[in-house]
Amino acid sequence: GAVVSQHPSWVICKSGTSVKIECRSLDFQATTMFWYRQFPKQSLMLMATSNEGSKATYEQGVEKDKFLINHASLTLSTLTVTSAHPEDSSFYICSASVSSNRAKNIQYFGAGTRLSVL
Amino acid sequence: GESVGLHLPTLSVQEGDNSIINCAYSNSASDYFIWYKQESGKGPQFIIDIRSNMDKRQGQRVTVLLNKTVKHLSLQIAATQPGDSAVYFCAETGGGQGGKLIFGQGTELSVKP
Repeated sequence: GAVVSQHPSWVICKSGTSVKIECRSLDFQATTMFWYRQFPKQSLMLMATSNEGSKATYEQGVEKDKFLINHASLTLSTLTVTSAHPEDSSFYICSASVSSNRAKNIQYFGAGTRLSVL
Repeated sequence: GESVGLHLPTLSVQEGDNSIINCAYSNSASDYFIWYKQESGKGPQFIIDIRSNMDKRQGQRVTVLLNKTVKHLSLQIAATQPGDSAVYFCAETGGGQGGKLIFGQGTELSVKP
């Protein structure tokens, strides 16, 4: 259980184009999803917290107009990198939170999306 | 913007030996901790968790120890196997709301056959 699917796994795009990444919880409903960015040999940096039906909460320093997040249903959140530039090249990972009495904060992660902007 | 590259701490162990991966956390208000395993090019995978009202929890071949006095967390892997080679991250709640997790810098475990 608790499978999170992320698509695409790898995308190459031209500078100035937009890229959409999808994150789906396959076998559970996730009221909260998270988007992270990870550079090589570094830890995960939280970009934003996405709650179903409401606006995403962005971390300090993350441009909300650059990284558009939509959480239209309890099983789907999308991240759109708008007008991508080479410095946006990175590994983007989503997670979905499962809340229970014991495990209130467990996040289950997607496989990540490698974005390369030429 | 420019990113500062950090070299992950590395731990190299012989296959069959036990591994101990350490993590220091900063927020004394954190009440829940998770260990994740991340293989190259993949997303983090949940390993084991522990609440702050416990000091030890065991899973299959893994044990997590929590020392709140010194804000230290460790992950012990028994009989380490080549498939255990990965980067291991500890994560804490930071005492905040909304289910956010704060991730440590990670430790790269390399298992020699």
